[in-house]
Amino acid sequence: GEDVEQSLFLSVREGDSSVINCTYTDSSSTYLYWYKQEPGAGLQLLTYIFSNMDMKQDQRLTVLLNKKDKHLSLRIADTQTGDSAIYFCAERRAAGNKLTFGGGTRVLVKP
Amino acid sequence: IAGITQAPTSQILAAGRRMTLRCTQDMRHNAMYWYRQDLGLGLRLIHYSNTAGTTGKGEVPDGYSVSRANTDDFPLTLASAVPSQTSVYFCASSDGTSGKDEQFFGPGTRLTVL
Repeated sequence: GEDVEQSLFLSVREGDSSVINCTYTDSSSTYLYWYKQEPGAGLQLLTYIFSNMDMKQDQRLTVLLNKKDKHLSLRIADTQTGDSAIYFCAERRAAGNKLTFGGGTRVLVKP
Repeated sequence: IAGITQAPTSQILAAGRRMTLRCTQDMRHNAMYWYRQDLGLGLRLIHYSNTAGTTGKGEVPDGYSVSRANTDDFPLTLASAVPSQTSVYFCASSDGTSGKDEQFFGPGTRLTVL
């Protein structure tokens, strides 16, 4: 969706950290999400953050939210080959439960 | 059945033909959604339903219709398919009431319109 933007591609070496960035435009966003899509499959929720939080950590995943700049990032520590996938950020606005997705970032993990 | 199922897995369709994509969930979720996924555009919402008996238009509804006769099923119909409707279609569902309201996605239907 045009209101949520992501870079198209990220290449990272196995064992390094990956950082995927996302910008959004609607300041009324309540929840922001990261979904993962593996080849030939649907999307699966990876993690999410509520808009009143700055950071959320879940094992190898760290989500940072900068509400002032409307910037969301996902850091994957110790990236593994199984992390190769397309990652989508999405925002949920204050009105309703519909999501607006970014275009997706394809992450390629090289051994 | 566990989660969301979609049928068919893939389909090649002649332009002008009518096609219904099926979606069924067994989680008793209130809300259901249809998205199309196109390269570089992410997922765009076609139609949604917040509860059985109600539907709404998403970002790209033209050429598509939906119905929600019961909680479990949410079919998407292309009345007269056109080549620009070639895409991968994903159905999703969510509880519609909880805070984070996670959406659960089906495996997708790959549709090619010639």
